[in-house]
Parts: sequence; structure tokens; C-alpha cells
Amino acid sequence: GAVVSQHPSWVICKSGTSVKIECRSLDFQATTMFWYRQFPKQSLMLMATSNEGSKATYEQGVEKDKFLINHASLTLSTLTVTSAHPEDSSFYICSARTERPLNTEAFFGQGTRLTVV
Amino acid sequence: QKEVEQDPGPLSVPEGAIVSLNCTYSNSAFQYFMWYRQYSRKGPELLMYTYSSGNKEDGRFTAQVDKSSKYISLFIRDSQPSDSATYLCAMSFPSGGYQKVTFGTGTKLQVIP
Repeated sequence: GAVVSQHPSWVICKSGTSVKIECRSLDFQATTMFWYRQFPKQSLMLMATSNEGSKATYEQGVEKDKFLINHASLTLSTLTVTSAHPEDSSFYICSARTERPLNTEAFFGQGTRLTVV
Repeated sequence: QKEVEQDPGPLSVPEGAIVSLNCTYSNSAFQYFMWYRQYSRKGPELLMYTYSSGNKEDGRFTAQVDKSSKYISLFIRDSQPSDSATYLCAMSFPSGGYQKVTFGTGTKLQVIP
């Protein structure tokens, strides 16, 4: 299957600082990437959909000024958590979709565990 | 009512057992049905997907969809300790040019040697 690389896999930051998470599709071009957030024992919650060269589409309740998404190329999308607070501590996962053979098949990155202290 | 309901478990079975994982859903617009496996602190890995009612088999795994009852299942035969993970069901429908996916909460499975 296709490979999606997410970096870093684990980060601790101080409250009030910003953290950038990268998501790369290594062997395919992903016109659309998705950012999810997962709390313990809860399902993945879609935060936003990132399309190459255009603004991200955010889900209801997700602050776009706090979670900045940039999809600069067909292989890279970034999520920046600005002015992070302890309640932002979570597991963030990106996914990239291929168009064939099934346009819903998604390949996930390994996730980034963010801890804000 | 959640769109997708999944028993969180945990489910503990002996090695070699048949495992049955289930999800129910309420949204009739769902077109594709998927099962993901997620190891601790890792991203989900797609196991199987289907878009029609019936069974789909892949090795020790069988995915079953019953659209009339809005019910999907994943069966694992001859379960192995390496199958120990959290299994997420997921369903999608077309929205804005792509498939919007909704995940279940996941069922944690432990296969005991």
C-alpha cells in the first residue's frame, strides 16, 4: 500500500507555543489530505480537509485560526497548532486518499502525540 | 444517537478463536464500509473495504455488510496474538467531491497465546 509519513511522532511543548506537524505522501500524489484528532478511547474526529493549493475546509467546531493547515504541494500538508494549551494535548493523525482503485481508500500516517505542559 | 456505534470492548479471546467485531449505523447514505486495525500509538491501517451487502473474504478476515439492518461485521478466523489491536469500523458517503468518513470508536482486541 501507499506510504504516508507523519513527523514528529511525539512532541512535548510548553503552553502558549506553536507546534507544526508534517504529513507526507511518499510514493503517490495526494490531492486531498485529511487531519484527524483522536482522544483516548474515542473515535477519530475529522478536523479538516486539506486540498493542494487551496484553503482547508474545517469541520464545525474546529478553530481555523488555532489549527493552521497548509497543503503546499501534492505530497505535503502541515498542521500547526498555534498557542497550544493543555486541552490541545491529543493524538493527531493525517491521512491521504488515493483516487484509484477506490476513492475512499485512505492511508494514514503513524500519528503525532502532542502533549502540552 | 451516534451515526456509527461500535462496542468498545475490550475483547479477550484465546489464540485460535474466531473473533466477531460489529458496528451498527444510522445513516442510509453510507456507501463504503471499511475496517481498520490500529496498534497502540500508531495510525490506522486499512484491512478491508466493501460497498455492497454480503461477505468479502481476505485470508483469515471476512467482512460482512447488511445494509437492510445497517449492520457490519468483521470476522477473524484462527486469531493470532499479532491480531491484538484496536479495530475501527468506518463508513463513508460522498460529500464535496470526496468520501466523508465516519469512524466507530474502536474495539480493543486481545488474543491470548
